[in-house]
Amino acid sequence: DADVTQTPRNRITKTGKRIMLECSQTKGHDRMYWYRQDPGLGLRLIYYSFDVKDINKGEISDGYSVSRQAQAKFSLSLESAIPNQTALYFCATSDQDSYGYTFGSGTRLTVV
Amino acid sequence: AQSVTQPDIHITVSEGASLELRCNYSYGATPYLFWYVQSPGQGLQLLLKYFSGDTLVQGIKGFEAEFKRSQSSFNLRKPSVHWSDAAEYFCAVDSDTGGFKTIFGAGTRLFVKA
Repeated sequence: DADVTQTPRNRITKTGKRIMLECSQTKGHDRMYWYRQDPGLGLRLIYYSFDVKDINKGEISDGYSVSRQAQAKFSLSLESAIPNQTALYFCATSDQDSYGYTFGSGTRLTVV
Repeated sequence: AQSVTQPDIHITVSEGASLELRCNYSYGATPYLFWYVQSPGQGLQLLLKYFSGDTLVQGIKGFEAEFKRSQSSFNLRKPSVHWSDAAEYFCAVDSDTGGFKTIFGAGTRLFVKA
């Protein structure tokens, strides 16, 4: 099994729908992140969490919310999806003693 | 503010040839620097990292990178490219190990021709 698992891998949804992307990890890391990747823009941070009781907004949090259900689970929700949220979404983990992230394989989201 | 520039959107090299991918950063203090690789349909994988010590760092898959403070650069190199190296490469900079300040470059796509 992968260290960081994202579900679903692909999703097509309609404008205005609520959608949840899920992430689970077996690394035992405290820190979890959601990033969005758009061509030519690299990765941009949406939200991050340093432990179950800690949630922080990143660079582009508008239109998104998150839930840290357990140390190993961190979900991202789009409350009312819009077409410009079409992107590749990545979950990542780290801990304070490791340098660098472990990424999931990504969720490709298309909003039509 | 921190920033990362990867000047080359894409690069094509022949299999067996050497490779250098450029990365320039802007940061006031000593940065933490990373290179990641993204194969098609996959997440990003950490290739190597620099945060202190020897300015030439070795990574996985035969890659290395050199930190040059005077040039604000952290270029990625490989002496002999394999077809399986075709992927997108991202340089990233962070101010500490927390991760929440990590800034990624826009990426360089590497094509390998036979």
